[in-house]
Amino acid sequence: DSGVTQTPKHLITATGQRVTLRCSPRSGDLSVYWYQQSLDQGLQFLIQYYNGEERAKGNILERFSAQQFPDLHSELNLSSLELGDSALYFCASSVGLETDTQYFGPGTRLTVL
Amino acid sequence: AQSVTQPDIHITVSEGASLELRCNYSYGATPYLFWYVQSPGQGLQLLLKYFSGDTLVQGIKGFEAEFKRSQSSFNLRKPSVHWSDAAEYFCAVVGNTDKLIFGTGTRLQVFP
Repeated sequence: DSGVTQTPKHLITATGQRVTLRCSPRSGDLSVYWYQQSLDQGLQFLIQYYNGEERAKGNILERFSAQQFPDLHSELNLSSLELGDSALYFCASSVGLETDTQYFGPGTRLTVL
Repeated sequence: AQSVTQPDIHITVSEGASLELRCNYSYGATPYLFWYVQSPGQGLQLLLKYFSGDTLVQGIKGFEAEFKRSQSSFNLRKPSVHWSDAAEYFCAVVGNTDKLIFGTGTRLQVFP
């Protein structure tokens, strides 16, 4: 158990819908990262928050957004869902520095029908 | 641009045999390198990491990896594989702005 929790574990929804994925980092970690794992793209970095502020953006679509709240949990919002958004979404957390290990949650499997 | 290459998509070994998973990276500065393992339906678990110092690093579950700057490699090894080691293995490098850049992964299958 990494100490990072993600809910829900599974999510099935229809095209055009909007969903919210939630992540609670390890106690004491200030950085939260979101990654997408799909068969065709592999593991791709989406976005990073550090202590409530956006720190880095990766290959995140404009239909996707995220935020980190004062209690440091984070939410990833996916809207206008398409079939191709079906993937495993991971949250990771670290203390904050580039040398810090990122600890991954169990992931949320999103299926868009 | 930073990148990680894992040349072997799928490797099959017999239980008890030795294992080496290859990883090559492209990064201009001193790399911070990681190996993660993903069991079916699970998240990613850190096996080991290299930041600096001794180029041979020891990890969990009996794994080790050797950093070779001249070859831009960070290969993962285990002297004797167990059936429970069957999983997908990802090599990663920390790129700009702290994000992890992952290789495409190597799926390990272990035969009894």
